[in-house]
Amino acid sequence: DTAVSQTPKYLVTQMGNDKSIKCEQNLGHDTMYWYKQDSKKFLKIMFSYNNKELIINETVPNRFSPKSPDKAHLNLHINSLELGDSAVYFCASSQVYGGGYTGELFFGEGSRLTVL
Amino acid sequence: QQQVKQSPQSLIVQKGGIPIINCAYENTAFDYFPWYQQFPGKGPALLIAIRPDVSEKKEGRFTISFNKSAKQFSLHIMDSQPGDSATYFCAASPSGTYYNQGGKLIFGQGTELSVKP
Repeated sequence: DTAVSQTPKYLVTQMGNDKSIKCEQNLGHDTMYWYKQDSKKFLKIMFSYNNKELIINETVPNRFSPKSPDKAHLNLHINSLELGDSAVYFCASSQVYGGGYTGELFFGEGSRLTVL
Repeated sequence: QQQVKQSPQSLIVQKGGIPIINCAYENTAFDYFPWYQQFPGKGPALLIAIRPDVSEKKEGRFTISFNKSAKQFSLHIMDSQPGDSATYFCAASPSGTYYNQGGKLIFGQGTELSVKP
């Protein structure tokens, strides 16, 4: 039973198109994230949501729009795709404990986006 | 100030060797230092983590050494096995609640470890 699942696993698309990645977690966590891993494997946070509220927005172009319909789901929509958007996008979740401190991040298996 | 610098970029050891991966940071607000392990085609998974109130933490064959004054920490893998071949990421998180970006992990650049049989 997958804890953090992302779909699709692979996306190949043309420049200028719009695409979405979906993420669901069944761990009961209240915080979810999107991370981007580039071709050199560097991982960088893009967004975090806590109980559907946007907490972190790391100066990501506004072509990227996350949406959290409930605390178990966090989707990522990307408009007008550019070559530089090619990367692996990871969804993750964690639990916020008493005092607001977050615990271990659980990552999905990633969605590899290739923009041609 | 928000960076975590990791070295080496890649490492090859023989089975049974002790690979050591080093990380350094500048931001004194960081107070949580995890290491994540990533296998090809998978997401990173937490391996071991330390807070700055201790200088060493050991879990099985994995040990974190932490030097607060030098703002450096390292991962040692004892008796390394071919199954340990993966990419290892150090990370750091600023102190505080999620209201002020607690839980925001800043990752190092990663180290690709290969353990030869």
